[in-house]
Amino acid sequence: EVQLVESGGGLLQPGGSLRLSCAASGFSFIDYSMNWVRQAPGKGLEWISFITSSSSTIYYADSVKGRFTISRDNAKNSVYLQMSSLRAEDTGVYYCAREGPNCSGHRCYSDTNFGFWGQGTLVTVSS
Amino acid sequence: SYVLTQPPSVSVAPGKTARITCGGNNIGSKNVHWYQQKPGQAPVLIIYYDNDRPSGIPERFSGSNSGNMATLTISWVEAGDEADYYCQVWDSSSDHRGVFGTGTKVTV
Repeated sequence: EVQLVESGGGLLQPGGSLRLSCAASGFSFIDYSMNWVRQAPGKGLEWISFITSSSSTIYYADSVKGRFTISRDNAKNSVYLQMSSLRAEDTGVYYCAREGPNCSGHRCYSDTNFGFWGQGTLVTVSS
Repeated sequence: SYVLTQPPSVSVAPGKTARITCGGNNIGSKNVHWYQQKPGQAPVLIIYYDNDRPSGIPERFSGSNSGNMATLTISWVEAGDEADYYCQVWDSSSDHRGVFGTGTKVTV
């Protein structure tokens, strides 16, 4: 059974830093790209970062580029999100999500969906 | 940046059909994925690549995608289908990024 368990959330002041972790189990972690998606209280989903299985390709949403860094440790089956210069608008539940199916019938694609999600960890940025 | 627009809410009676739209510029040229999120829970992938279902997702859920609109259809709606639904694409037009729709609350 695929399991993703996030940790590291908490309450911190604007301008602070935090590192989120996501521990994966139940699948071959080294074979999958991973993502972070967040959700502000009462709001919709926002994709924020993507990392390939080998860490060779990384993407960020404009809202976090230059402030957040995604990384992974395949030996520890974990993906991380280092967050700095935090703002009130970064408040929300942060989910890690594993890539889902990348083929439909006999066609395979390079784009990404989010097939499995963790339960999320809450980050609150407030003075 | 690429924008996906969904109606904020859809109401449907049990046993009827709910249709949730997802509008985007030439979305028919992209692959659309759909998620269901119940209160206090993480999202769940229910449709991928326009109209494929992961194992365990009932056949009552189906999707279509053409032109500037993608649609999630829930047939024979049940009380347990009450949730928020989000469409999603991967936008590689200028920069690579995930894009979610604005979300639709389905009330049964």
